[in-house]
Amino acid sequence: KAGVTQTPRYLIKTRGQQVTLSCSPISGHRSVSWYQQTPGQGLQFLFEYFSETQRNKGNFPGRFSGRQFSNSRSEMNVSTLELGDSALYLCASSSRGQTNEKLFFGSGTQLSVL
Amino acid sequence: DQQVKQNSPSLSVQEGRISILNCDYTNSMFDYFLWYKKYPAEGPTFLISISSIKDKNEDGRFTVFLNKSAKHLSLHIVPSQPGDSAVYFCAASPNYGGSQGNLIFGKGTKLSVKP
Repeated sequence: KAGVTQTPRYLIKTRGQQVTLSCSPISGHRSVSWYQQTPGQGLQFLFEYFSETQRNKGNFPGRFSGRQFSNSRSEMNVSTLELGDSALYLCASSSRGQTNEKLFFGSGTQLSVL
Repeated sequence: DQQVKQNSPSLSVQEGRISILNCDYTNSMFDYFLWYKKYPAEGPTFLISISSIKDKNEDGRFTVFLNKSAKHLSLHIVPSQPGDSAVYFCAASPNYGGSQGNLIFGKGTKLSVKP
């Protein structure tokens, strides 16, 4: 079974631009969560999608958005990029998105904003 | 306000010895706890978990202890191996909603195991 796939692995953008990151979950998994990892803040929850619906959202500004498609693949978008958005963005999937399940993470997309 | 705290950013241990990684939480509603391990340039991988109805869970060299009254859990690795060198994240799940989207992570502890 293929793992969680995130594309691209690396991105360099400039302030003010927008970016779209992609995540393909493990086949059969319907829940996809997104996390931001920075050295100072650790892993911070962005949002979770289940069956194309956003179920939970973390404490991030509206510039951060996402969506999930019928095949469970997910994208997240960041508009009007700021220097502080430089981080590793991790996607994770699980079959039902329940608290007693393991999360399976992708390798992440490293975003650098210049 | 940090609900899951890993107060030691780093820990260095000699190969063969015990590694003890600590995690404190503030929300008494948390009822499920997990540890994830992360190598550089890779995503975190699940290591071990414990439910609040237990105080210990063991899986090979890894044991997690939960002290609910102190709101504290710890991960013990015995014996430590150089391949255990990684960042370890503690995570907690609140007892509401049932959605894993509410999983809260600590900032991580970087473990270095010296040969």
